[in-house]
Amino acid sequence: QAQLVQSGAEVKTPGASVKVSCKASGYTFTGYYLHWVRQAPGQGPECVGWIHPGSGVTTYVQKFQGRVTVTRDTSISTAYMELSRLTSDDTAVYYCARDYRNKGFDIWGQGTMVTVSS
Amino acid sequence: QSVLTQPPSVSAAPGQKVTISCSGSSSNIENNYVSWYQQLPGTAPKLLIYDNNKRPSGIPDRFSGSKSGTSATLGITGLQTGDEADYYCGTWDNSLGAVVFGGGTKLTVL
Repeated sequence: QAQLVQSGAEVKTPGASVKVSCKASGYTFTGYYLHWVRQAPGQGPECVGWIHPGSGVTTYVQKFQGRVTVTRDTSISTAYMELSRLTSDDTAVYYCARDYRNKGFDIWGQGTMVTVSS
Repeated sequence: QSVLTQPPSVSAAPGQKVTISCSGSSSNIENNYVSWYQQLPGTAPKLLIYDNNKRPSGIPDRFSGSKSGTSATLGITGLQTGDEADYYCGTWDNSLGAVVFGGGTKLTVL
């Protein structure tokens, strides 16, 4: 069955960068947009950016432009999200999610906890 | 500070019905499809409703969605203790150029 598997939890100091991976299996990786969504403790989800793995075209939410980079490696069906200049406000669970033809996010990774602390 | 507004919590007894509202604006809900997600504690969100009122395969018909103007509603009938979770609405926002979500509603089945 289709699934997304993410890399493990990260602890970073303020000012550092983090790179989270998301490996797809069970479906055509290049055929669906892949979004990165974060969820701070006790809050609702928030979109960070997305990529079309087939073309490599990326779009970033304005709030994160200049700090986020989303890439992919089609040879291993894996997408990556790198967030730089981390602050404590970036502490959250980061999810990758498949966009099912603009009908919602139908497959989610298990989430990667990113903690930013000095 | 979420773009979409949901009540923080709702509750009802097992077997009863509950509705969860999601309020937005003309730049999001009024002109785009709404999705609903269920998030059990410690897990990733799960798609419950898409295109305002459609259910993915495997989602029971106890879950329903509707939309009117700038608001959307999730309905759950025949409540079960296993339905206790956080529920989120989501949709595209034309002004922000991104998917936006509500702040979430915690459902308690008494």
